[in-house]
Amino acid sequence: ETGVTQTPRHLVMGMTNKKSLKCEQHLGHNAMYWYKQSAKKPLELMFVYNFKEQTENNSVPSRFSPECPNSSHLFLHLHTLQPEDSALYLCASRGTGGADTQYFGPGTRLTVL
Amino acid sequence: EDQVTQSPEALRLQEGESSSLNCSYTVSGLRGLFWYRQDPGKGPEFLFTLYSAGEEKEKERLKATLTKKESFLHITAPKPEDSATYLCAVHPANTDKLIFGTGTRLQVFP
Repeated sequence: ETGVTQTPRHLVMGMTNKKSLKCEQHLGHNAMYWYKQSAKKPLELMFVYNFKEQTENNSVPSRFSPECPNSSHLFLHLHTLQPEDSALYLCASRGTGGADTQYFGPGTRLTVL
Repeated sequence: EDQVTQSPEALRLQEGESSSLNCSYTVSGLRGLFWYRQDPGKGPEFLFTLYSAGEEKEKERLKATLTKKESFLHITAPKPEDSATYLCAVHPANTDKLIFGTGTRLQVFP
């Protein structure tokens, strides 16, 4: 595997379910990000991790819970979501220093029924 | 407040018809400006990073330029495979965030 991978690619869940999204980067980067992308809106930053430590939480509801066990893996745990949480969830990673580029995964298309 | 505005929202071109996409920004210190291409249902694909006013970068039919207030993505003689949404983002100083615009959806017809 190369670059940034995300699983699953598609997820349908009910409002009472608990599920997790997984992201893995094979680029040797130390920073990882979760974004939400909804139709007609800019990408919304959710969380940032640097060297496994959370450095940004962009006022995200507690029904989204991130986890970063090491610099290569990032999870987003989901519980009691709302239909308005349906979106494309994107993971990205970045090397450290300067304005290094963020590289994105293919995304998980989430539908909440 | 850091902000990115892209125009036009949508652009339809005939194959071979050159044009430009605009990204206007206000930011408290620019560490970098990024252009990405995004196909439907996929993650953004990195195209260019620009760091300072006057800088230009090229890749195939695409050329990105940067001033202190805006960036342009010039598309020369586009082909249908250039159809995608093009995203612009800025990296402000003293933050780990990228601020994205809403994108320009480009359609190129044969």
